[in-house]
Amino acid sequence: SYELTQPPSVSVSPGQTARITCSGDALPKQYAYWYQQKPGQAPVLVIYKDSERPSGIPERFSGSSSGTTVTLTISGVQAEDEADYYCQSADSSGTHVVFGGGTKLTVL
Amino acid sequence: QVQLVESGGGLVKPGGSLRLSCAASGFTFSDYYMSWIRQAPGKGLEWVSYISSSSSYTNYADSVKGRFTISRDNAKNSLYLQMNSLRAEDTAVYYCARGDPGIAVAGDAKGFDYWGQGTLVTVSS
Repeated sequence: SYELTQPPSVSVSPGQTARITCSGDALPKQYAYWYQQKPGQAPVLVIYKDSERPSGIPERFSGSSSGTTVTLTISGVQAEDEADYYCQSADSSGTHVVFGGGTKLTVL
Repeated sequence: QVQLVESGGGLVKPGGSLRLSCAASGFTFSDYYMSWIRQAPGKGLEWVSYISSSSSYTNYADSVKGRFTISRDNAKNSLYLQMNSLRAEDTAVYYCARGDPGIAVAGDAKGFDYWGQGTLVTVSS
């Protein structure tokens, strides 16, 4: 079955830039999405269609795509950004939804 | 404001059944794809199933296909998940979520833009 691969953890100091990657063979033809999940809370959509930002999401969150890898970038990381981040996409047929394994962002 | 409220979770024995519900409000429910997504304790997110706005299209993760059935009642603004032949590995928080995660034909592909708070399903003897 199709898989999306994320690094298990990323650590950054406050004010620095965090980059979280997600790799998958079908990413060149399927949109990617990013969700932020804090402990005990439901996930929140932070990026859709590779690079679009929903209303209410801070501008420091951005997304990009290059080949089989998509990247979530958080510029000027704040303590409140510490969370688990999940990428999501569809398989090559566009019929099954897939989540990456998640990346724990630690703000040092 | 958009609200999704799940109910129906609980403790069930292996092989048993459970029906989850998701009550939607604050938007035109019949306009949206809806999905179930689960999260086992301490684990990541796993998509379970989606259903199109008019119930014409449904799909399931391989792990639940043949055991779970998704349905909706647009008149009642409600989404359902019938879970049969439950296994220990089905233990998870189950979330309902609104939106097209890039799979709808001519959809807006805006992702799962609203989620409920989840309902815990525990499968154990």
